[in-house]
Amino acid sequence: QQQVKQSPQSLIVQKGGISIINCAYENTAFDYFPWYQQFPGKGPALLIAIRPDVSEKKEGRFTISFNKSAKQFSLHIMDSQPGDSATYFCAARRGVSNFGNEKLTFGTGTRLTIIP
Amino acid sequence: DVKVTQSSRYLVKRTGEKVFLECVQDMDHENMFWYRQDPGLGLRLIYFSYDVKMKEKGDIPEGYSVSREKKERFSLILESASTNQTSMYLCASSLLRTSRENTQYFGPGTRLTVL
Repeated sequence: QQQVKQSPQSLIVQKGGISIINCAYENTAFDYFPWYQQFPGKGPALLIAIRPDVSEKKEGRFTISFNKSAKQFSLHIMDSQPGDSATYFCAARRGVSNFGNEKLTFGTGTRLTIIP
Repeated sequence: DVKVTQSSRYLVKRTGEKVFLECVQDMDHENMFWYRQDPGLGLRLIYFSYDVKMKEKGDIPEGYSVSREKKERFSLILESASTNQTSMYLCASSLLRTSRENTQYFGPGTRLTVL
């Protein structure tokens, strides 16, 4: 059961272009939506994150757009660079349990390639 | 900087062997996680632990067990390895926070091949 659906599976963008990766979720109990970036041979690392009480968050060339009513969120990479070539995962936190732990549900990943 | 290390980058085992994957974090994090990463399936949670000797099943715990005897160390155990457990295994850790954003820090992964 895929609770966070991510698309596309792969994406090729020219240098300087805009890369857009989309995610959709069903569980309205999700309360935190991070994006992770993974380079070959490395573990994923947090890139940017958003809470559902805001519609957009921007950090440098990276922007998350969040549509609560549609239960969708997306990552936009402006002025895409070859160094952005990586696999990107969206994720959603299921909310805090009685133990205070925080589990993430990940999307299936998008392999982004930026070509010169 | 947070550092999460995994005992092996590559591991090759035979079907039926008992396999131990070790993970150590150096930032005194309460939460530790084991995921497997497969193409097209993303990261799937196997087990996690929020305290020493405490564990909870994730989404795909079948065929796996875990051990957390010390706060900094979290082990994943494959009791009898099977070929369908060939995968990349990722360990992660995070602080115990109840109400704020919380980053999971990942190790570099162990690529396990079961022959």
